[in-house]
Amino acid sequence: AQSVAQPEDQVKVAEGNPLTVKCTYSVSGNPYLFWYVQYPNRGLQFLLKYITGDNLVKGSYGFEAEFNKSQTSFHLKKPSALVSDSALYFCAVRDAGGGSYIPTFGRGTSLIVHP
Amino acid sequence: GAVVSQHPSRVICKSGTSVKIECRSLDFQATTMFWYRQFPKQSLMLMATSNEGSKATYEQGVEKDKFLINHASLTLSTLTVTSAHPEDSSFYICSARDGIHSTDTQYFGPGTRLTVL
Repeated sequence: AQSVAQPEDQVKVAEGNPLTVKCTYSVSGNPYLFWYVQYPNRGLQFLLKYITGDNLVKGSYGFEAEFNKSQTSFHLKKPSALVSDSALYFCAVRDAGGGSYIPTFGRGTSLIVHP
Repeated sequence: GAVVSQHPSRVICKSGTSVKIECRSLDFQATTMFWYRQFPKQSLMLMATSNEGSKATYEQGVEKDKFLINHASLTLSTLTVTSAHPEDSSFYICSARDGIHSTDTQYFGPGTRLTVL
C-alpha cells in the first residue's frame, strides 16, 4: 500500500522569505515522489520528481525538494517566495516496486505568499 | 515539456444531457490516461485509468455506465458524462503518462469545468 500526507492545509509566508511545504509518505518498497502545482481553475503542472540519485532535487520556478528516507519525507522548498507562487501544491508518491503505476496524491496544501 | 490539452475548458449543460470531454497528448504518445474529479478545495479523486485499445479500469464507487471512457488512440481519450445531473458538476482533469519513454511522470490537462443546471 502507498499513501502520502500533507499535514498542512495552508501555509502563509511573506514575499522574499523561504518557504517549505511538507510531505511525508509511506510505501512498501522504494518511492517515486512528485510535486505538482495547481493555479486556480487550471490543471496540475509538474514541478519536480525524485526517482533515484541525489536526495536534493531541483525543479521548475526555483523550487527544490529533499528526499529524506529516514524521515520518509519529501518537503518542497524555495529560498525566496514570490507572490506569484501562491497556489495549491500537491505531493504524490508511487511505490517503485509496486504492480500499479498509479500514484497517490496528497490532499494539497494552499500556499499564500503575501507582499 | 509534454503538453496535454483538454476540450472544452468550460461547459454548461441542462440536466439529462450528455457531455463529452476530450483529452489529447500533443507531443507524446500516452499509453495510459487518467481521469480525475476535483471538488472545491479538495484533492484529486481518481475516477478511472484508461489504456489505449482496452477498456478503462474504474475506481470503486465510480459508475462506468455514467462516466464512459474511450481511449481510441495513443493521443486521445474521451470522457462522456451521460445523463448529467447537478451533482455531476465538478472540475474534471485528465492526465497522460508517457509510457514510451518511461519518465513515470503524469502530465495534466488544464481541466474542464462542468456545470449542470
